[in-house]
Amino acid sequence: GQQLNQSPQSMFIQEGEDVSMNCTSSSIFNTWLWYKQEPGEGPVLLIALYKAGELTSNGRLTAQFGITRKDSFLNISASIPSDVGIYFCAGLSVGTYKYIFGTGTRLKVLA
Amino acid sequence: NAGVTQTPKFQVLKTGQSMTLQCAQDMNHEYMSWYRQDPGMGLRLIHYSVGAGITDQGEVPNGYNVSRSTTEDFPLRLLSAAPSQTSVYFCASSYRTPSSSYNSPLHFGNGTRLTVT
Repeated sequence: GQQLNQSPQSMFIQEGEDVSMNCTSSSIFNTWLWYKQEPGEGPVLLIALYKAGELTSNGRLTAQFGITRKDSFLNISASIPSDVGIYFCAGLSVGTYKYIFGTGTRLKVLA
Repeated sequence: NAGVTQTPKFQVLKTGQSMTLQCAQDMNHEYMSWYRQDPGMGLRLIHYSVGAGITDQGEVPNGYNVSRSTTEDFPLRLLSAAPSQTSVYFCASSYRTPSSSYNSPLHFGNGTRLTVT
């Protein structure tokens, strides 16, 4: 089935560093979502994007909806230990009801 | 406001057994869906529903049945469990406006961890 290409698969960074991850798709999307998942829990929404070129922030997190509508990125600035988790992108194709998820970026922050 | 509630949290089945994973939401969301999460595979869509009485298949529907008799509930049935169905299962819901293509972000439950031996 269709899946998004999300990279990197994992990241080990020092506390205070900035983080960047991205997702690309062969299909055009009209919605991009970014989620964080912690152990034993369901994914929790971080940022939702609805328009090509849109740049949205949520605290130290910033995400952008790519101009081509086939990609999106998430940046985390000044990482802290509680940023640890798995980050997922998800996209919604035009005219469908199905959100497709990326394979996730596992983030570890070293204090 | 409980959001999306999944039961049970953990389940162990033997090959060939059947069971139903329960999902309920109290947000009056029209759209409900089931995903499975496997290591390195992300979240894969099993089945979804855009309203009571309407269901459709996702990417990996084989071995699973669903029904939607009420807005609140969307159970997932495994008719004859197989080891390949060992996974973490998530239910998610969202609001969808009837007059537009806008689909609000998915709200997830905390998952059911299923092991089939």
